[in-house]
Amino acid sequence: GESVGLHLPTLSVQEGDNSIINCAYSNSASDYFIWYKQESGKGPQFIIDIRSNMDKRQGQRVTVLLNKTVKHLSLQIAATQPGDSAVYFCAENRPPPGGGADGLTFGKGTHLIIQP
Amino acid sequence: NAGVMQNPRHLVRRRGQEARLRCSPMKGHSHVYWYRQLPEEGLKFMVYLQKENIIDESGMPKERFSAEFPKEGPSILRIQQVVRGDSAAYFCASSRTGQHSGANVLTFGAGSRLTVL
Repeated sequence: GESVGLHLPTLSVQEGDNSIINCAYSNSASDYFIWYKQESGKGPQFIIDIRSNMDKRQGQRVTVLLNKTVKHLSLQIAATQPGDSAVYFCAENRPPPGGGADGLTFGKGTHLIIQP
Repeated sequence: NAGVMQNPRHLVRRRGQEARLRCSPMKGHSHVYWYRQLPEEGLKFMVYLQKENIIDESGMPKERFSAEFPKEGPSILRIQQVVRGDSAAYFCASSRTGQHSGANVLTFGAGSRLTVL
């Protein structure tokens, strides 16, 4: 089954407020996590990433927090703008046996709705 | 840099027909991944290829689906004898190397939306 999931399918916030999108993962071997933003009719767009040896990483208006104890990942968006409306996916990378890459495992996504 | 190019953007097929989806990776990227996205769902990994090699096809259905990435030309995802359940958005992504890291993230195309009537 899914090893990466989200707590809420839809999140509605007022423009200008901060948004927090949550994600749970179950594979403790995952060593790398990414947040993607997908606007309607488009492909996923990279937002921010974090390696498992970190617990926080900041970008421009976005912060990702990683809590390995409870296998929880969150994306914080500061001063949410209308252009932030999209579906946000977290993804994990699990190192396969022998190394290499077999793709990312995505959660189902959270639809962020910005209210004026 | 035109990014990852996928075509067609929209494809309509009748049950039993074949669907061919093409993906040209970003310049300098030799690793290609295909994902499938059902409505209101996340992306599901299908297959990972390098030039002329399939590295991991653990997400590919055992029948009717195949993928290739020839030495010259785009990567192709081929679906034979399509059924209605194949209706989905198919995304291609590319990366410079096969290792996911901060210096090497997947770049996605805009997707190909397949509708099976």
